Amino acid sequence: GDSVTQMEGPVTLSEEAFLTINCTYTATGYPSLFWYVQYPGEGLQLLLKATKADDKGSNKGFEATYRKETTSFHLEKGSVQVSDSAVYFCALRSQIRSNDYKLSFGAGTTVTVRA
Amino acid sequence: NAGVTQTPKFQVLKTGQSMTLQCAQDMNHNSMYWYRQDPGMGLRLIYYSASEGTTDKGEVPNGYNVSRLNKREFSLRLESAAPSQTSVYFCASRPQGAGGELFFGEGSRLTVL
Repeated sequence: GDSVTQMEGPVTLSEEAFLTINCTYTATGYPSLFWYVQYPGEGLQLLLKATKADDKGSNKGFEATYRKETTSFHLEKGSVQVSDSAVYFCALRSQIRSNDYKLSFGAGTTVTVRA
Repeated sequence: NAGVTQTPKFQVLKTGQSMTLQCAQDMNHNSMYWYRQDPGMGLRLIYYSASEGTTDKGEVPNGYNVSRLNKREFSLRLESAAPSQTSVYFCASRPQGAGGELFFGEGSRLTVL
């Protein structure tokens, strides 16, 4: 079945460092891909998404490009802040039945940014 | 804007006890989901509901039951709790025809002793 593999953490960085979190997927066809973020004590929020090959999703300084050749959707940010400390989840959309979908998630990567 | 609301936020149970986690959404979404989150395993789908009155099993349904009594509410019941059900539970909803985005509640942390 469809699955997502995400780099394991935890990841600890200093402010203004470059962040990259690797994500690869296994799926039939070309599913929509997502990055969700979970801040401490909160639920998951959509960070960005891409719906087709070569699409680039971006939000809050984060970017990810949908690469069908390498079945990857790596998350990057050029200069992280303390407020970016969170757990990041890569996910793909799978069809359950006509007009209904679920998300399959990676294991999550905990990122801590130090001042 | 409430979005997806889950209750309770925290619960401690003894093995064998039962309880129901409540979830309500005020966004008029058709689809609703229950996930559990465990360290190193991400989120796994327990049950989902495509519309009022319909429910289907996800990846890890054993030990759980669900009810979708109306469009707003989707409850998750543990009939006889086990320590393996210690987890954080998330409810989510999705509008019909959207690009797959799910909207999540803040989670319910359950500990089974």
